[in-house]
Amino acid sequence: QKEVEQNSGPLSVPEGAIASLNCTYSDRVSQSFFWYRQYSGKSPELIMSIYSNGDKEDGRFTAQLNKASQYVSLLIRDSQPSDSATYLCAVKPLEYGNKLVFGAGTILRVKS
Amino acid sequence: KAGVTQTPRYLIKTRGQQVTLSCSPISGHRSVSWYQQTPGQGLQFLFEYFSETQRNKGNFPGRFSGRQFSNSRSEMNVSTLELGDSALYLCASSLAGSDEQFFGPGTRLTVL
Repeated sequence: QKEVEQNSGPLSVPEGAIASLNCTYSDRVSQSFFWYRQYSGKSPELIMSIYSNGDKEDGRFTAQLNKASQYVSLLIRDSQPSDSATYLCAVKPLEYGNKLVFGAGTILRVKS
Repeated sequence: KAGVTQTPRYLIKTRGQQVTLSCSPISGHRSVSWYQQTPGQGLQFLFEYFSETQRNKGNFPGRFSGRQFSNSRSEMNVSTLELGDSALYLCASSLAGSDEQFFGPGTRLTVL
C-alpha cells in the first residue's frame, strides 16, 4: 500500500464549478498535511497546509482533514482554466526533520 | 523576498560521470530538503539538512550525497551517474520550527 494515495485523474470540471481533490494516507500518526500545485514544466507551489481536523479556507481553496479516516481533501471553488494543473498531496510523517511524502498527484482540467 | 534558487537549471551528463547541484534557500530559512521527481516514481525525498547537519535521509543509494554550508546554501552530489538518475531535482527550504516547504525551480538532469 502506498503511503499517500491520490486518484491520478484527469479530473475534468467546467469553469465556475467546484473541483474536489482527495487524498488518503496510511501513517495514522502523521500530523501535517499539505497541498501543492504543479503546472506542467514548473516546480510545486504550496497552496494550503492543514494540521487540525476540520476545514481551513483560503480564498477559493478549502482544505479538509479527517484524521480518523486518514483523509485529506482540497476543494477549489469557482474553478478557473488557470487552475488546470497537477495537485500534489503531501504528508509529513512523525519523523525527525522535514521529510514530506507525496502522492502521485491528481491532474485537474478546468474547461472553459 | 527572493525565492529558492537552484543552479544549474539544466544539465546533461553521461553515465559514470558525477554531478553537483546547488541550492540557495529563502533568506532566513535554515532547513533545506532535496527531492527527486520522475514520471514513474513521482516526488521522492532524498535528504534534509538543518544547520549543516543531515537530519533525515530517504531510501536512495550512497551515490547520492549532500551537504549544507554555514550560510544555509546546500549542494547535492550524485556520483557514478546512471541512466535512471535522469530526473528533476528539487530543493525546498523552510523556516526553523516550520514544516511548510517552499520549492525552487529545480534542476533538470539528463543522463545519456
